[in-house]
Amino acid sequence: EPEVTQTPSHQVTQMGQEVILRCVPISNHLYFYWYRQILGQKVEFLVSFYNNEISEKSEIFDDQFSVERPDGSNFTLKIRSTKLEDSAMYFCASSKGAEAFFGQGTRLTVV
Amino acid sequence: GEDVEQSLFLSVREGDSSVINCTYTDSSSTYLYWYKQEPGAGLQLLTYIFSNMDMKQDQRLTVLLNKKDKHLSLRIADTQTGDSAIYFCAESLYSSASKIIFGSGTRLSIRP
Repeated sequence: EPEVTQTPSHQVTQMGQEVILRCVPISNHLYFYWYRQILGQKVEFLVSFYNNEISEKSEIFDDQFSVERPDGSNFTLKIRSTKLEDSAMYFCASSKGAEAFFGQGTRLTVV
Repeated sequence: GEDVEQSLFLSVREGDSSVINCTYTDSSSTYLYWYKQEPGAGLQLLTYIFSNMDMKQDQRLTVLLNKKDKHLSLRIADTQTGDSAIYFCAESLYSSASKIIFGSGTRLSIRP
């Protein structure tokens, strides 16, 4: 069964460093998303992406964040200068209709 | 504003039915979802219902939607130990490409 895959599963980075979280969405899906879940809190929407541009973004998705689909298969989330409060589980999702499928997540720890 | 509320915990005896409840605030919600998250794992889509439906059944799962009261429930029949997880209620407001708003999740624990 097709699935969304994310790498790495766990990333530890120093505050101020740049990180890139990678995702391979399901191949025939058209819409791509990033969500995050801070430990013990709700899953929060960050950004949606369609037709090579951002469709919608939340207040969380500030200038420190960017997304890219560099090669037609990968979908990346870049955080330019990480802060301690960026520590969270980051989920990628993809859909072609109402059903959004999520990856296993990348746990980002900023120290 | 957009908000989804769920109770935090539910404990059920193995073999009984579990009913997880959810309320949402935005009447323009188009799709309502139930996701399951097992420890250390991602979000697994269990089922979803379109807002013009009242009920959807899929094997052991039954979803009931009361649009007037903005209330969604998930019933799991014959609950098994493998059903232990956090269950997230979620809504999507506009179209199939729209963001999904999640509730806080209900932790379902199964007792023997």
